[in-house]
Order: sequence, then structure tokens, then C-alpha cells
Amino acid sequence: ETGVTQTPRHLVMGMTNKKSLKCEQHLGHNAMYWYKQSAKKPLELMFVYNFKEQTENNSVPSRFSPECPNSSHLFLHLHTLQPEDSALYLCASSQDDRQGFGSGYTFGSGTRLTVV
Amino acid sequence: AQSVTQLDSHVSVSEGTPVLLRCNYSSSYSPSLFWYVQHPNKGLQLLLKYTSAATLVKGINGFEAEFKKSETSFHLTKPSAHMSDAAEYFCVVSDPRTGGSYIPTFGRGTSLIVHP
Repeated sequence: ETGVTQTPRHLVMGMTNKKSLKCEQHLGHNAMYWYKQSAKKPLELMFVYNFKEQTENNSVPSRFSPECPNSSHLFLHLHTLQPEDSALYLCASSQDDRQGFGSGYTFGSGTRLTVV
Repeated sequence: AQSVTQLDSHVSVSEGTPVLLRCNYSSSYSPSLFWYVQHPNKGLQLLLKYTSAATLVKGINGFEAEFKKSETSFHLTKPSAHMSDAAEYFCVVSDPRTGGSYIPTFGRGTSLIVHP
């Protein structure tokens, strides 16, 4: 275990469903991130939260809605997704997004999402 | 602007032979550079990082990388491959944005295949 826990590990959902992905870290980090990893594509940064404030939103469609209630928890709410949204969704944390990538991220194992 | 190019999508080696995974980068600043490894169905794990200290960086599991500014390269090497090294490897560049935040750019990844 890396210290960053993602649930569920696998999720199959229909295009009309609403579901949420959860990420939890107890490393004392104050920045958290959502990444999308699709086959044959580079890792795509979706959202960044630093001290619970969203600091980055990389033109992500509104069908993805993040929530960060505290520095230890991060959610990604999903609704009316498309089949092309099927991917591995990775959560990561770092000490601070201004310094964090100097020391590197800690990644969770990801949620494998399949939209049918 | 920053970018990273992993020159090989797949590298195949025999167990016990050297490993070379190539990475070139582009950055307007003095960047931080990283290599991450991802085993199947796992998140990304930091192998090593360069942050303007020694140009030859040693990481975990016997891997090392050399920062060559004149060649804008950060190739990953290991003297002797082990079966457990079979995984996807990502080269990452990160330089400071306005306001001091670091947002990384990931390469497309190189799949390392190790034959017995």
C-alpha cells in the first residue's frame, strides 16, 4: 500500500448512471489530484486541489465533478458518462502543489472504469 | 512550455542484460525530471528524480538516470534486467509556472518486456 487508497478498484456503469470515485490519503499531504489514464495516451491531469481549494481544472467536461471536503479525501462524481470515458482514474497526493512535484507524487492504485 | 518524448513505446530485453529507456525533454526553465514505474493494475511509483543536484541520479531497484542538459535527455538505465522489472515506465518533466506551482507533463510511456 502506498498510503493513497482508491475505491472502488473496478466500476462498470451505464451511461445514465451516477456514481462516485473515492480517494483517501493519510500521509499528511495537502494537495490532491485526479488523473485519467487511457490506453495509448499520455496521463491527463484533470483536477488539482491544494488545501481543499481547486487550483486546476484542465478543461474537463462537466459530467465529471470533483469534491474535496478535507485534505485527506477527494471524490470524483460521475454522471451521464460516455463510452470514451472508460479509463483508469488515478488519484495522487503531494505535500504542496507548489513544491509537491519537486518531491514527487504518491499515487493510488486507480479505479478501472468501464462505461457501457 | 514543457514537453517530454519517450523515444520507444516498447523495449524488449533478456533477463540479465542491460536496460536503456530513452527520454528527451523540452523546458523553458531548469526543470525537475522524474521516472515513474507502473506495474499492471497498479498506480505509479516514483523510481528516481532529478532536481538540479547531481546529474547522475540513483533510484530504487538498481535503476539510475543521467541528466544531460546539452542533449536535453534523461535516459533511464539498469545494468542487469530482472523479470520483475517488466512494467510501464514514464518519464516526467516539471517546471515552475507563474505563481510557483509545479504541474508535470508525462511522457506516453515505454513498456519494458523482459524475456527469461
